Amino acid sequence: EAQVTQNPRYLITVTGKKLTVTCSQNMNHEYMSWYRQDPGLGLRQIYYSMNVEVTDKGDVPEGYKVSRKEKRNFPLILESPSPNQTSLYFCASREFKEVSTDTQYFGPGTRLTVL
Amino acid sequence: ILNVEQSPQSLHVQEGDSTNFTCSFPSSNFYALHWYRWETAKSPEALFVMTLNGDEKKKGRISATLNTKEGYSYLYIKGSQPEDSATYLCALSDSWGKLQFGAGTQVVVTP
Repeated sequence: EAQVTQNPRYLITVTGKKLTVTCSQNMNHEYMSWYRQDPGLGLRQIYYSMNVEVTDKGDVPEGYKVSRKEKRNFPLILESPSPNQTSLYFCASREFKEVSTDTQYFGPGTRLTVL
Repeated sequence: ILNVEQSPQSLHVQEGDSTNFTCSFPSSNFYALHWYRWETAKSPEALFVMTLNGDEKKKGRISATLNTKEGYSYLYIKGSQPEDSATYLCALSDSWGKLQFGAGTQVVVTP
């Protein structure tokens, strides 16, 4: 089954404790993104990657890191989480052919709480 | 950054009634408009992708129109059913395919 998986689905942590949210897709997609969803705001892009070893900042990259060592995986790293990073996080992937019309596939989301 | 506004923020519909809601954008400086359906505790799923030639899309009881001159897209749900309850997201894509999302319209269909 074609899918994007994320782990963990729920995480409660404390300020300053480094964490990684994993993301994996099995559709051989070139393009992957991370978004955060906050109440009253649209999904906002944190980072994206157009291919292996190619990553770039989205609209809200501060406090986050990513890596793309393999095509299928795109982990999101919070080196020193703070309470303002409490949010719902989505990983997404798509092909990179018809760039403006490609369908984007989302993972199930990770609900992160930073105390 | 492309500006995307969705209205209303939420709406309640009686089962069997039809409804529609809006995605508006001040500028047509984008390449495609996407509609996604997001059910609680699930992943957003793509409904439609609309290009700038003003197509109309339909999937079952749900359809969408795009008017780039007036700066809006409508999503219509005909004969709403409880399973239509979800948040509907609109997004604009730029030339690189980066998506700019609106805040969504939450639809609640009551039996």
